[in-house]
Amino acid sequence: KAGVTQTPRYLIKTRGQQVTLSCSPISGHRSVSWYQQTPGQGLQFLFEYFSETQRNKGNFPGRFSGRQFSNSRSEMNVSTLELGDSALYLCASSLAGSGGYTFGSGTRLTVV
Amino acid sequence: GESVGLHLPTLSVQEGDNSIINCAYSNSASDYFIWYKQESGKGPQFIIDIRSNMDKRQGQRVTVLLNKTVKHLSLQIAATQPGDSAVYFCAEGGPGYSTLTFGKGTMLLVSP
Repeated sequence: KAGVTQTPRYLIKTRGQQVTLSCSPISGHRSVSWYQQTPGQGLQFLFEYFSETQRNKGNFPGRFSGRQFSNSRSEMNVSTLELGDSALYLCASSLAGSGGYTFGSGTRLTVV
Repeated sequence: GESVGLHLPTLSVQEGDNSIINCAYSNSASDYFIWYKQESGKGPQFIIDIRSNMDKRQGQRVTVLLNKTVKHLSLQIAATQPGDSAVYFCAEGGPGYSTLTFGKGTMLLVSP
């Protein structure tokens, strides 16, 4: 079956702009989590959605937001982009958000 | 914080050797642990997981050992191959496992 699909693969944005990233989970998976990966901080948890509800949120500013649709697809949005937001954004899905997370290949965001 | 990919702890082995990658986890309440492998340009790939009611679990060429007393996790790879070259992350999950906390990673380099 198809894996976790993230689009786009690469993005270049200017400081101050906003961006939306998309994640399509494995069919049947209802939990979607987002992570930010940077050389300095490693992999850090952003938020997790289950059945269209945000269940957990990491320690990121309010400029980072997300949502999940009824088909379990998820989007995350970053507003007022800063240079430090440049990172690989990873999405992971699981059946019920209780382990067995499968990651997508990520979206590489560069803020200039 | 430690840099992923630039200043990671590195383990260099010869093809055919056994590799052991270690990880110290932080939260004594964590009860789910996963090892991921990440190759350049890809998202983390699940290798093996273990729950806190076990101290050892074996997969194909891989074994995970959990020592809850000292909060230590290790990944053993038997007969290491050049294709095993990647960054390896341990991750811990709390009750419900809906969020994962990742370690900084170890780079494994396998020479033919």
